[in-house]
Amino acid sequence: AQKITQTQPGMFVQEKEAVTLDCTYDTSDPSYGLFWYKQPSSGEMIFLIYQGSYDQQNATEGRYSLNFQKARKSANLVISASQLGDSAMYFCAMREFTGNQFYFGTGTSLTVIP
Amino acid sequence: EAQVTQNPRYLITVTGKKLTVTCSQNMNHEYMSWYRQDPGLGLRQIYYSMNVEVTDKGDVPEGYKVSRKEKRNFPLILESPSPNQTSLYFCASSTRVNYEQYFGPGTRLTVT
Repeated sequence: AQKITQTQPGMFVQEKEAVTLDCTYDTSDPSYGLFWYKQPSSGEMIFLIYQGSYDQQNATEGRYSLNFQKARKSANLVISASQLGDSAMYFCAMREFTGNQFYFGTGTSLTVIP
Repeated sequence: EAQVTQNPRYLITVTGKKLTVTCSQNMNHEYMSWYRQDPGLGLRQIYYSMNVEVTDKGDVPEGYKVSRKEKRNFPLILESPSPNQTSLYFCASSTRVNYEQYFGPGTRLTVT
């Protein structure tokens, strides 16, 4: 079974609008962390946001927020007020703290339309 | 400047010719890891290391070797590369307690 599932291969959003990128995960480890990374066309991997499995509040970092629904095993990324520079590939990832292995999803390609 | 460096950045080689991709970090991180990225498959973990002399297999370790003799270095070795190892490779590091990973710039490997 896939550990991380991103069901949206491609998304479009109008500039200044908000967009939600979906991510569901599968683990039996009670202790884990969830991450979102951005990969622009230049290729580097940029860390955006982190949510721990025991964190009570949803994580936020500037225009990024993580909508963490533990019972549904979802960790959606919300980008508010989209900018042209947000056009990139976005990856959801999970680290299980028992085994310390990292799992990445297949990514969502986001295009911001002027 | 805190960084993860990888060398080479680009490599074209032939089947069966042993190669090593180096990875070095200057942040005194305990955790280091190698990934390969293929279109439509995202990133898949090859090997990871929690500390010096401690390495573990990720999801796709076949055909790869690693070693961790020093804390800062984590080379990836392909003893006998094959065309299905053509990929974009990333090295990453993090501390034990701060799980954010810092990624290197990537190495694009082509095996003909």
